[in-house]
Amino acid sequence: GAVVSQHPSWVICKSGTSVKIECRSLDFQATTMFWYRQFPKQSLMLMATSNEGSKATYEQGVEKDKFLINHASLTLSTLTVTSAHPEDSSFYICSAIWTGPNYGYTFGSGTRLTVV
Amino acid sequence: AQTVTQSQPEMSVQEAETVTLSCTYDTSESDYYLFWYKQPPSRQMILVIRQEAYKQQNATENRFSVNFQKAAKSFSLKISDSQLGDAAMYFCAYNQGGKLIFGQGTELSVKP
Repeated sequence: GAVVSQHPSWVICKSGTSVKIECRSLDFQATTMFWYRQFPKQSLMLMATSNEGSKATYEQGVEKDKFLINHASLTLSTLTVTSAHPEDSSFYICSAIWTGPNYGYTFGSGTRLTVV
Repeated sequence: AQTVTQSQPEMSVQEAETVTLSCTYDTSESDYYLFWYKQPPSRQMILVIRQEAYKQQNATENRFSVNFQKAAKSFSLKISDSQLGDAAMYFCAYNQGGKLIFGQGTELSVKP
């Protein structure tokens, strides 16, 4: 149980276009999901907390208008990188809280975004 | 602000030997969770072990165990009988208020 599916695994887009990344909880309801960004050889940096049915809470320094988060259902959160630029190229990972037995966090497999 | 510190950017261990990865954290809370996650080259985050702060007993999962020192705010991971498949980035993480905050990570290599 507690499986999170993230798509796409990798995406290449042109500068100025928008890209949407999906994060789905497959076998449980995820009231809260998280989005992280990770640069090579670095740690995961929390970008925002996504709550079903309400606005996302962004961490300090994260541009809300560039990284649009929608959590319209208990099983789906999306991250849209708007007007992408090469500096947005990174590895993005979603996560959800698992409140069942063995409380913890489960992660998607990540999305490698390359903006050219 | 809560912080998590891993002071060892890289560690190396001989196959079948034991290695300890260190982690310290800073918090004013009394109830929280601590985690160790493994990130292999596939970059999939895998939960290694979890510790609840109110439990004094150190968590153990097969070859993985922790040394949790609450007063010292220390949470080290011991890997016994290291295997080649243990080679990965290891992240210590602290949870409070729902957010999971990660340390800088330790890259573990296992020598055959």
